Amino acid sequence: EVQLVESGGGLVQPGGSLRLSCAASGFTFSSYSMYWVRQAPGRGLEWVSYISSTSTTIYYADSLKGRFTISRDNAKNSLFLQMNSLRAEDTAIYYCAGGSIATADIDYWGQGTLVTVSS
Amino acid sequence: QTVVTQEPSLTVSPGGTVTLTCASSAGTVTSGFYPNWFQQKPGQAPRTLIYSTTNKHSWTPARFSGSLLGGKAALTLSGVQPEDEAEYYCLLYYGGSWVFGGGTKLTVL
Repeated sequence: EVQLVESGGGLVQPGGSLRLSCAASGFTFSSYSMYWVRQAPGRGLEWVSYISSTSTTIYYADSLKGRFTISRDNAKNSLFLQMNSLRAEDTAIYYCAGGSIATADIDYWGQGTLVTVSS
Repeated sequence: QTVVTQEPSLTVSPGGTVTLTCASSAGTVTSGFYPNWFQQKPGQAPRTLIYSTTNKHSWTPARFSGSLLGGKAALTLSGVQPEDEAEYYCLLYYGGSWVFGGGTKLTVL
């Protein structure tokens, strides 16, 4: 069974940093592209970042303006999102997701971790 | 800034058929946009129903189907069940970025 389990969310002050993790199991993690997607309270889904299976290719949403960094450790079946200079508008549930390396599809989703940016 | 547009809300009767659409401000949606469709129920994570325009996962009920229709991506539910009441999101790929539609709230009534 495919499982993606996010962790690292919590309450952080504006301007602070947070590092999210996603532990993968039940599939060959190193053969999948991975994504971070977020959802602000009561709002829709927003794509945040993409990383290829070998970390060779990385993309970010323009709105992030270089504040977030995606990475992965295939040896540990883990995906990460380093978030710096956090703002109130970054408050959201952050989902880890995975998809085929051959396409731009998202196949699997984690349950999400809540990040709250507030003083 | 590319915008992906979905119907904000739709209502369908149990057993009926409904089509949700996904339009791109950049023009006609093709298979090259890898249209994906996701279902999200309150308090739950999204779940992928359709990938690469028409393909279903093993967990996707047979009554769901994906297509291209009139320049848009489309999700059709045939024989709607009460448990299909949910928010549905489409996702399109733009060569290095992905954009979600705003979601369609489907009510089964």
